[in-house]
Amino acid sequence: LAKTTQPISMDSYEGQEVNITCSHNNIATNDYITWYQQFPSQGPRFIIQGYKTKVTNEVASLFIPADRKSSTLSLPRVSLSDTAVYYCLVLLNTGGFKTIFGAGTRLFVKA
Amino acid sequence: EAQVTQNPRYLITVTGKKLTVTCSQNMNHEYMSWYRQDPGLGLRQIYYSMNVEVTDKGDVPEGYKVSRKEKRNFPLILESPSPNQTSLYFCASSLSTPSGGRNEQFFGPGTRLTVL
Repeated sequence: LAKTTQPISMDSYEGQEVNITCSHNNIATNDYITWYQQFPSQGPRFIIQGYKTKVTNEVASLFIPADRKSSTLSLPRVSLSDTAVYYCLVLLNTGGFKTIFGAGTRLFVKA
Repeated sequence: EAQVTQNPRYLITVTGKKLTVTCSQNMNHEYMSWYRQDPGLGLRQIYYSMNVEVTDKGDVPEGYKVSRKEKRNFPLILESPSPNQTSLYFCASSLSTPSGGRNEQFFGPGTRLTVL
């Protein structure tokens, strides 16, 4: 099961683009890369998932290079409400099963 | 409304007094899991279940039991709680195969447990 490495914390200002990079050197062929967001005292919430290249949805983009050993979550024009912890996971595409969240990246968005 | 529910939301107990935290989902998900969250450690998986009567250990199973007799329910049992099990607990569920290109775990609201 691939483990991930992320920065412990990041600071940003409202309106800026934020990029959080995750390292997953031992990613397996069938693993997907998934990002979750967690606010204090709430359960994590799914943000985005991808296998390769680029995935975009209404809240974020996910960039995955060809070797898939890292990925970057991009949050466009963050607001104060984006202050949260962001987790990068690698998962088998057949289901969550055994899952490692890690400590995540704590993002602070300032006014 | 599609959701994962946990009960109780808050619990204060004493060492050695058996307790059960219930988890229920109404989305017909095959996969369910329990996590604990402690400051600076993120979420750590306790147990997971791939379907009824199929469970397996996560990273931190010591001191916990689970059962999966029905698809919708996945209770977490602490037979003899100890203070080091004071934590925030989350239950989650998901489909066993990705839907619409995404494999999303849905989390419950959490149960804050204090063992004195």
